[in-house]
Amino acid sequence: AQRVTQPEKLLSVFKGAPVELKCNYSYSGSPELFWYVQYSRQRLQLLLRHISRESIKGFTADLNKGETSFHLKKPFAQEEDSAMYYCALNTNAGKSTFGDGTTLTVKP
Amino acid sequence: EAGVAQSPRYKIIEKRQSVAFWCNPISGHATLYWYQQILGQGPKLLIQFQNNGVVDDSQLPKDRFSAERLKGVDSTLKIQPAKLEDSAVYLCASSLVSGAYEQYFGPGTRLTVT
Repeated sequence: AQRVTQPEKLLSVFKGAPVELKCNYSYSGSPELFWYVQYSRQRLQLLLRHISRESIKGFTADLNKGETSFHLKKPFAQEEDSAMYYCALNTNAGKSTFGDGTTLTVKP
Repeated sequence: EAGVAQSPRYKIIEKRQSVAFWCNPISGHATLYWYQQILGQGPKLLIQFQNNGVVDDSQLPKDRFSAERLKGVDSTLKIQPAKLEDSAVYLCASSLVSGAYEQYFGPGTRLTVT
């Protein structure tokens, strides 16, 4: 069975500092990986997906199949990045599994 | 485009009572998901529909939970009878199809079982 692990429940950085949110997964097939974000009082929404290889709001994530990781990075954190971040995996059959999330706080 | 709609937004019931949640996905989205999110945890998939067929319901407690997707559009999730441990936010999401497509989430229904 597939599994997504986000080892940090809470992460706090200062504005302008680099930030990395970790995501490790286990799945025997070729996964589709996503980062979702939930800002205060808003719905869960997609931040980025590995297949697009895009940068959204300055965030990037690289799929490392050797280390089975999909860490989310941003070189200079902003206060508006404070939110809950979830890593998610879709199997070949389309089944979704989410991690337990990391709460990011960016201090002024 | 209109987003995923859910109702009610909040519900408080006593244990052993029944409750139903409704979801209206984005028009044209074939895949619909129901998740349970317990405080401090990530969303846990309960059931996934592709059109009006069930793709995965392996984590649905079938002795008390049931779900259906009417004509491949709206969906209802029912709990009967509710237990204290069912207190959670129930999220509905939809996507164009499953796989590499993003999921669009509704606002959720916060259920409190007393």
